[in-house]
Amino acid sequence: DIVMSQSPLSLPVTPGEPASISCRSSRSLLHSDGYNYLDWYLQKPGQSPQLLIYFASNRASGVPDRFSGSGSGTDFTLKVSRVEAEDVGIYYCMQSLELVRTFGQGTKLEIK
Amino acid sequence: QVQFVQSGAEVKKPGASVKVSCKASGYNFDGYAIYWVRQAPGHKLEWMAWIHCGNGNTRYSAKSQGRLTITSDTSANTVYLELASLRSEDTGVYFCARDAAGRGDSWGQGTPVTVSS
Repeated sequence: DIVMSQSPLSLPVTPGEPASISCRSSRSLLHSDGYNYLDWYLQKPGQSPQLLIYFASNRASGVPDRFSGSGSGTDFTLKVSRVEAEDVGIYYCMQSLELVRTFGQGTKLEIK
Repeated sequence: QVQFVQSGAEVKKPGASVKVSCKASGYNFDGYAIYWVRQAPGHKLEWMAWIHCGNGNTRYSAKSQGRLTITSDTSANTVYLELASLRSEDTGVYFCARDAAGRGDSWGQGTPVTVSS
């Protein structure tokens, strides 16, 4: 299975400040179709996960433009340009290159 | 609109089996796959199993393979996950999600499963 590693695991952020989360995969997630099969999800407290970013850099429907994804191959980044109180929760990267999916450990974003 | 409604909370004893369901609506059920994800208390999301609702193809995580069975009923637009020989570490919340070209674009509300003697 592809192993996904995230950092940091905990991320305290002041509202209005930027935040960045890194995700690394044990194998390249770049498919022959040109897409990187890497998604980002946010699980808010007490809720189901919600899709934020797919194919590494595409925002899902309804996701604010302060969220952005970048990267290719094995190294990926999720950035929040200006953190708001509603952004608290655990952020996960997940590879979808293989049918057997794997998640990163999760990064807990909290407000300072 | 795409929606998933999962079955209610379950409490089981060690060694028993549990079957949770995920009823889909608002889209062409046969055209997509669905997968299940588990979250043990205080732990990360764990991917468990996948089924294509059109052709019935399945995949399982190596960790739970052998105890897991994923099935779909196209007449009821419902996917099921059965976990046998339950252990305390199977306690958690089980989520279903639609697989749209690789991404989980819509999720169920979660089904809590507690395994306790």
